[in-house]
Amino acid sequence: EVLLVESGGGLVRPGESLRLSCVASGFSFTSYTLHWVRQAPGKGLEWVSSISSSTTYKYYADSVTGRFTVSRDNANNSVHLHMNSLRADDTAVYYCARSSSTNYQLPHWGQGALVTVSS
Amino acid sequence: AIQMTQSPSSLSASVGDRVTITCRASQGIRDDLGWYQQKPGKVPKLLIFSTSNLHDGVPSRFSGSGSGTEFTLTITNLQPEDFATYYCLQDNKFPLTFGGGTKVEIK
Repeated sequence: EVLLVESGGGLVRPGESLRLSCVASGFSFTSYTLHWVRQAPGKGLEWVSSISSSTTYKYYADSVTGRFTVSRDNANNSVHLHMNSLRADDTAVYYCARSSSTNYQLPHWGQGALVTVSS
Repeated sequence: AIQMTQSPSSLSASVGDRVTITCRASQGIRDDLGWYQQKPGKVPKLLIFSTSNLHDGVPSRFSGSGSGTEFTLTITNLQPEDFATYYCLQDNKFPLTFGGGTKVEIK
């Protein structure tokens, strides 16, 4: 069974930093692209970032480019989202998700980690 | 970035109805589109990938069609458990982009 478990969410003040982690199990971690998707309270889904299996390719939404950095640790089956200069509009549930093997749709999701940015 | 325009943003329907939701891409995306269902407080679930392929375990009353820039999710014989919000996602190019969502409510 594919499992994705996020951690690291919490309450931070504007301008501060936070690191989200996602630990994966139940599949060959080094074979898949991993993604971060977020959902602000009462709003729709927003793709945030993706990292390829070998870490060669990293992609970001315009809204987070320059502030967020994605990384993965293939030895420990984990992916991380380093979030700097956080703003109130970064407040959301952040989901870790795994692609399928043949496309970038997302059949597997974690339960999400809530990040609240507020003074 | 490719923009995905989803319509309608909400609709009311009755059990047994046929429901159609549309996503339009700002440029051609071949068949690189998926559909997701999300219920309140729950994680999104993949329904359809590559425009028309049902994900494992998804009931056959869900179907998808389209190509290029216009795509449709159809739910036939709407069931009580289908009342939810639906999103499209294009995976043709990064940045990946979701549609704004369609909330399907009980009439």
